[in-house]
Parts: sequence; C-alpha cells; structure tokens
Amino acid sequence: TQLLEQSPQFLSIQEGENLTVYCNSSSVFSSLQWYRQEPGEGPVLLVTVVTGGEVKKLKRLTFQFGDARKDSSLHITAAQTGDTGLYLCAGGSSWGKLQFGAGTQVVVTP
Amino acid sequence: DADVTQTPRNRITKTGKRIMLECSQTKGHDRMYWYRQDPGLGLRLIYYSFDVKDINKGEISDGYSVSRQAQAKFSLSLESAIPNQTALYFCATSDFNWSRGAYEQYFGPGTRLTVT
Repeated sequence: TQLLEQSPQFLSIQEGENLTVYCNSSSVFSSLQWYRQEPGEGPVLLVTVVTGGEVKKLKRLTFQFGDARKDSSLHITAAQTGDTGLYLCAGGSSWGKLQFGAGTQVVVTP
Repeated sequence: DADVTQTPRNRITKTGKRIMLECSQTKGHDRMYWYRQDPGLGLRLIYYSFDVKDINKGEISDGYSVSRQAQAKFSLSLESAIPNQTALYFCATSDFNWSRGAYEQYFGPGTRLTVT
C-alpha cells in the first residue's frame, strides 16, 4: 500500500509550458522532500519543506507543503528539456525514515 | 569523486546464487539505508542502520540480509537470489540538516540486478 500518492504518473509537455505534480497522503509528515532522478543515477534531493503552508522556490521550480502537512505540490514554470526526469516525493518522520511516492515521469520535448 | 558509491553497477546472476552488493560513503554520516526500486512502486526500504551497532528491518526485508562493517560501509546480501528480486538497488546515507530542520538522504548511483 502506497502511503504517498503521486499524480499524474506520467506527464509529457513541450518546452515553455508549465506543469504541476501532486503528492498526497492521509498521513502527517514531519517533512516533505522532493527528489529528481535521471536514468542510470540515484535520486537527487531538490528541496525539503517542514512547515505547513510553506512555499519554497528554486529558480523555475515552486514547492508547496500543505497546511496540514499531508500533501505537497511541485510546479515548474516554462519547462526546459533539462527538467526531464522522474520526480519523487518523500514524507519524512521525525527520526529520519522516508516514505516515497511512486514517482511522476516528466518528459519535456523541444 | 562521488560521496556514495555502489559496486557493482550491474549484475546478472542465476536463481539460487548468493550475491552481495556493496556501498561505501565518504560523507561521514552515521545513518545508511538500502532501498529497491521497481517501476510504478517507487523506492521501498529494505534495511537501515543508524550506526555501526544498529541494524533494522525495513518494509521488505525478507530474502535479504545486511552487514555494517564500518561507519563508511554497508553491504546488502541476497542469500539465495530469486527472479522477483530483479530490481534497481540504491544505497543512501542521511544526516540532520539543522538549517532545514529535517533529515536528508543522499543516494548512490544504484546497482541494476537481474536474476535469471
């Protein structure tokens, strides 16, 4: 049973378009992290959010943690081909274990 | 140089064989983890270790064992490999980020294991 549900599972867009990926759970987490994974590599941490309602921006990427600390979203503005990858959300417990979602495969075409 | 390294990167083995996957880290972190990744299932935790003397089962530990030889080394063994253990395996380390207020994990490049 997946405690963290990511949607959509797959997203294909053209360069310049915007996209949003969602991560939802019925559980409350101490932190919520987003990772990006490229083929043949391990996941790389993009951001950590810990406060309900928190919004963090990383260049063209905007991350939001839900008020109740159960859900999160990742929004990419003006996507580029370099944004292609598997985006994983992970809910963190206070003592360090992470629960991962299944991931959203994003493909950005020229 | 990579902070978390895994060997081998690719391995094909036969059913019933014993196989060991190795992980080394230079980050100086006490906490280390082994995950497997299957399409559509995300990353699932196999075992984790919070220090050299601490080993804990994750959600899918059956058929696997681990050894924490030193702070920097954490090995995963499949005692008798079976085809449904075909997957990508990742090692990770973690440390508490005081400025962000949470533990953050750092992953190795993965091992692609195929059991025939």
